[in-house]
Amino acid sequence: EAQVTQNPRYLITVTGKKLTVTCSQNMNHEYMSWYRQDPGLGLRQIYYSMNVEVTDKGDVPEGYKVSRKEKRNFPLILESPSPNQTSLYFCASSSLGGGNQPQHFGDGTRLSIL
Amino acid sequence: EDQVTQSPEALRLQEGESSSLNCSYTVSGLRGLFWYRQDPGKGPEFLFTLYSAGEEKEKERLKATLTKKESFLHITAPKPEDSATYLCAVQASTDYKLSFGAGTTVTVRA
Repeated sequence: EAQVTQNPRYLITVTGKKLTVTCSQNMNHEYMSWYRQDPGLGLRQIYYSMNVEVTDKGDVPEGYKVSRKEKRNFPLILESPSPNQTSLYFCASSSLGGGNQPQHFGDGTRLSIL
Repeated sequence: EDQVTQSPEALRLQEGESSSLNCSYTVSGLRGLFWYRQDPGKGPEFLFTLYSAGEEKEKERLKATLTKKESFLHITAPKPEDSATYLCAVQASTDYKLSFGAGTTVTVRA
């Protein structure tokens, strides 16, 4: 089954404790992306990657890192999490095509940073 | 900066009562405009891609249309299972970022 898998689904942690949210897709997609979703603000793009070793900033990259060492994986790293990063996070992937291909989303990771 | 504004924020409909959702956008060259549906506790699910003004796409009770400044999602004779948050997103031709609107939450009562 084609899917985007995020782990963990839920995490409660404390300020300053480094954490990684993993994302994996099994569709051989070139494009992968991370979003955060906050009430009233909708989905905002954090980082995206068009292929292995190619990453670019989205609209809200501050406080986050990403890496793309393999095509299927795109982890999101919070090196020193702060309470304002408490949010619902989604990973997505798509084929690149002409750049306007629909994205497939994971089921989300709810992060609470105390 | 690309901007996407959706209205209304919330829409309550009676079953069978047709209505439309609006997505206004500002982008420097449109590569594509997307509509997604999101159910509570789930990731967005793709509905449509529109590429150029005048284009229309249909799927069951949903029809999406596009002009140079906005897109509409028409829901014809909705059913309770159409209740969801509908998201609009645009991708500019200058890069590969995707900008989403805040969404319209539709509730259809039986």
